Amino acid sequence: DAGVIQSPRHEVTEMGQEVTLRCKPISGHNSLFWYRQTMMRGLELLIYFNNNVPIDDSGMPEDRFSAKMPNASFSTLKIQPSEPRDSAVYFCASSSSQWHNSPLHFGNGTRLTVT
Amino acid sequence: RKEVEQDPGPFNVPEGATVAFNCTYSNSASQSFFWYRQDCRKEPKLLMSVYSSGNEDGRFTAQLNRASQYISLLIRDSKLSDSATYLCVVNVNYGQNFVFGPGTRLSVLP
Repeated sequence: DAGVIQSPRHEVTEMGQEVTLRCKPISGHNSLFWYRQTMMRGLELLIYFNNNVPIDDSGMPEDRFSAKMPNASFSTLKIQPSEPRDSAVYFCASSSSQWHNSPLHFGNGTRLTVT
Repeated sequence: RKEVEQDPGPFNVPEGATVAFNCTYSNSASQSFFWYRQDCRKEPKLLMSVYSSGNEDGRFTAQLNRASQYISLLIRDSKLSDSATYLCVVNVNYGQNFVFGPGTRLSVLP
């Protein structure tokens, strides 16, 4: 199994630019999560989808952030316009809500730096 | 009160020591439980699921006490490679609502 695949691994951009992070969940998983991690705030849940439908987006910081899941094998997290305080590692994770004790599987993350 | 709380740490122990981490959760409807480890600048990785009867995987033993809403992780004969942050994770709705503890950092010293 290929695991959760995220791209890009690293992104450096200037303030004001649009940033798009991509994620391919594990095949067969029907829940997908976007997390952000910084030293100051730790691991924060931004949004999660179940069966491609956004279930909880209360963690999305503000309107500059948006996430989509057009199909079961792809999701994007977009930041427009980006700001230096958005610098963090963004993780995508997937799980199955159909099985008891199904854990979260994380991708390698995207390290975003906004200058 | 936070939903999931862990020992604040950090724990600094010599190689070969036994170390125990504790975790408490507030939602009595929680359904499944996990321990993850996270190395510096890496993603969290599943260490082990925690089952009601307790479970062991090599040097690692996990225990669950539903009545007290308490989870533990015991590491025996600690190795340098065990140095990491250990995250307690509670799942309230199967496969959907995962709540992470703040993590406990472990440093195993030579």
